[in-house]
Amino acid sequence: KNEVEQSPQNLTAQEGEFITINCSYSVGISALHWLQQHPGGGIVSLFMLSSGKKKHGRLIATINIQEKHSSLHITASHPRDSAVYICAVLTQGGSEKLVFGKGTKLTVNP
Amino acid sequence: NAGVTQTPKFRILKIGQSMTLQCAQDMNHNYMYWYRQDPGMGLKLIYYSVGAGITDKGEVPNGYNVSRSTTEDFPLRLELAAPSQTSVYFCASSPERGSPDTQYFGPGTRLTVL
Repeated sequence: KNEVEQSPQNLTAQEGEFITINCSYSVGISALHWLQQHPGGGIVSLFMLSSGKKKHGRLIATINIQEKHSSLHITASHPRDSAVYICAVLTQGGSEKLVFGKGTKLTVNP
Repeated sequence: NAGVTQTPKFRILKIGQSMTLQCAQDMNHNYMYWYRQDPGMGLKLIYYSVGAGITDKGEVPNGYNVSRSTTEDFPLRLELAAPSQTSVYFCASSPERGSPDTQYFGPGTRLTVL
């Protein structure tokens, strides 16, 4: 079983819909990252969370440390949001390593 | 700032050849990482460095070597390339652990070994 699981694997939405992508993890963490990978391959870090909630524009990320779960929400989705969204956790301990989920491929149709 | 730069963008190698993937960052970050991304799989950590002169293995280090002689540069060396090393390679950097800053990724190097 992977230490970081994302759902769904693929998601297709219509423009304007509210999107939720989920991430569950099975290890102790000190932080969780949400990343966006565009079709061209470039990776951009969206959020780093250690508790609570963060908001940036139409993107909202939440984390529940007790339940080992995080969600990424996109409000009023747009075709330019089409990308792969990746959850990654920074494991506790002395090593500085991120463990990545396999990603959720989001397609937003006009 | 150029951020994290990687060269080359694409490369095709024959089995048994060697090459070095270059990575540089101009943000004075201590932490640097090399990842590989295989189709349908999550990124896997190959090697990382917490500062000049200090490197450590990640999850999938076999077949690779790294060095960190300066804060800016973190090259990844492939010795005796194998088809299993066909992948997209990403270099990343970050400031101190636990910093609210995010990880910065390079644009990637697409490597094919035939």
